[in-house]
This record gives sequence, structure tokens and C-alpha cells, in this order.
Amino acid sequence: EIVMTQSPATLSVSPGERATLSCRASQSVSTNLAWYQQKPGQAPRLLIYGASTRATGIPARFSGSGSGTEFTLTISSLQSEDFAVYYCQQYNNWWTFGQGTKVEIK
Amino acid sequence: EVQLVESGGGLVQPGGSLRLSCAASGFSFSTYAMHWVRQTPGKGLEYVSAISSSGGSTYYANSLKGRFTISRDNSKNTLYLQMGSLRGEDMAVYYCARSNSGYDNWGQGTLVTVSS
Repeated sequence: EIVMTQSPATLSVSPGERATLSCRASQSVSTNLAWYQQKPGQAPRLLIYGASTRATGIPARFSGSGSGTEFTLTISSLQSEDFAVYYCQQYNNWWTFGQGTKVEIK
Repeated sequence: EVQLVESGGGLVQPGGSLRLSCAASGFSFSTYAMHWVRQTPGKGLEYVSAISSSGGSTYYANSLKGRFTISRDNSKNTLYLQMGSLRGEDMAVYYCARSNSGYDNWGQGTLVTVSS
């Protein structure tokens, strides 16, 4: 099973600042990597697929990069609605999720 | 608008069974693979099972050890998960999700509680 490791577990950021989240795969997943946002009481929402392609309706302040085993989700200027938990997921070899990064208000 | 609506969750005793349903609308259900994903506070998000668009191929997480069965009825636009020999570790919110380079649409989830 491919293990996905996210860091940090919690990221404290002020509104308007940039947030950078990391995701590492235990073996190469090529660019078969997705990012999700989840708010309390809601289902996850797809933000990024193919490591760098924004899903429909996702604002341009969200961007993804990376390939192989190292991936990054960047939120260029945090808005109030962006404080949430973010998960990465690989779908190259079965499907596994990272444990999540909570982005909280500093 | 794509909609996925789960039902069938609830309280079940250890060793019991439960059948979850996911009613789909707003898209051509028969052309998409569908998945079940569960979420617990302790283990986070976990893939449970997947089924191809036709229903001819099914996949399960190794941890389930044959206790769950996924199926679909494309004439009714509905996905199912039959769960048996339920254990405490199966207690979770269960989501159905449309597979499309990741999961591009999710249901609201249904809570399964396993307790005596």
C-alpha cells in the first residue's frame, strides 16, 4: 500500500498570507494526486487533480505542483473560507489518503 | 447538478449487517466508476470499495476481508454497500463518491455506529 504523509499536521496562518502544504508518497504516484478541502460537518471537496489541475469552480489562489513522490498545495492569499482541513490522495495504485493538514487562523 | 445522497446508516450491534444506498442524479450514472469511502476521527479518510461503471469489476480494501459487498443498479442510478460481520472499527461516516481523476463529487455521508 502506498502511504501518503502530509506535513505539517497544523498550519497557523494569518488571513492574506500564503500557505504551503506538503504531501509525500512512499513510492512514485506519477501525477495521479488529488487535493481535497474539508470543513466541519461537510464532505471533502475536490480542489486539485492530476497534481496541478484545478477542479471546476476552484479559485485561482489554489495551486498544486509536484510529481513522483513530492507534492505541494499552495494557497496564495488565505481567505476566511479557506480555513479547513486539507487532504492529499493518490490514485495511481489503488487509493490512499494522507492524514490531513489543518489550516487554522493565526 | 450532480447529487449523491446516501442512506441506510444507523446503529447496529457487533456482528450485525447493514446495507447502505447512494442515489445518484444529475449525471450519466452508468458511465462512471463509483466508490465508497469512510471517515473516522482516528484513521481519517479511508477507501473502502470501488465498482466499475458496468458493475463488472469490484475492488475492496484489504482490511475488509470479504465482509463487504459493493454493487450497483444502473437502471435505478443507485450504488449499494452491503456490510456484514460489523466490528467497532467499522464505525464511521460512509461517503459515496464519483471517481473521475480523484473523487469529483461526494455525498453528504451516512453515519454507521457499531455498538451493543
